[in-house]
Amino acid sequence: DTAVSQTPKYLVTQMGNDKSIKCEQNLGHDTMYWYKQDSKKFLKIMFSYNNKELIINETVPNRFSPKSPDKAHLNLHINSLELGDSAVYFCASSQDTGYEQYFGPGTRLTVT
Amino acid sequence: AQKITQTQPGMFVQEKEAVTLDCTYDTSDQSYGLFWYKQPSSGEMIFLIYQGSYDEQNATEGRYSLNFQKARKSANLVISASQLGDSAMYFCAISGQVYNFNKFYFGSGTKLNVKP
Repeated sequence: DTAVSQTPKYLVTQMGNDKSIKCEQNLGHDTMYWYKQDSKKFLKIMFSYNNKELIINETVPNRFSPKSPDKAHLNLHINSLELGDSAVYFCASSQDTGYEQYFGPGTRLTVT
Repeated sequence: AQKITQTQPGMFVQEKEAVTLDCTYDTSDQSYGLFWYKQPSSGEMIFLIYQGSYDEQNATEGRYSLNFQKARKSANLVISASQLGDSAMYFCAISGQVYNFNKFYFGSGTKLNVKP
């Protein structure tokens, strides 16, 4: 059983489109995250949810909107996609903040 | 704010030898955690090892050990008996307090190549 799953694994789309990435964890964790990994492999936190509440919201354009319908799911919706949004997006979860995080397989987003 | 520095962008090691990946950090927190992750070419992020700031003994997990030197603010990863499958990017991370929660800060990574 996959602990943290993301769909889709690959996403190719055109500038200006709106897309969503879904994330689910079956570990019973209370905290979930979205990270962006750029072409230089640098990992940057975007959002963090604890018990469905947004606790960390980094300097991310308003075009990015996370939604957590329950503790096991954290989806990421992106409006008006831009070329600079091309990256790998990772979902992760942890028992609580400060504990080791378990990552999903990543979603490679390519904006053309 | 917390900061993680990995000064080795790339390293080579001969198969079956040990290798040390460097990680230094900066934090004003009294309590924090240090983590190492592996990212193979397939892309997934794999949690390897954790060290708490109050742990007196260095953490070990199989062939991985964390050389924790608190006074020097370093948390180096030691991989013993390297295997070809150890070739990957390795990231060091620190958890730091932000209001009532903790936040992870990742280093820029070290690319390890294990030579046969």
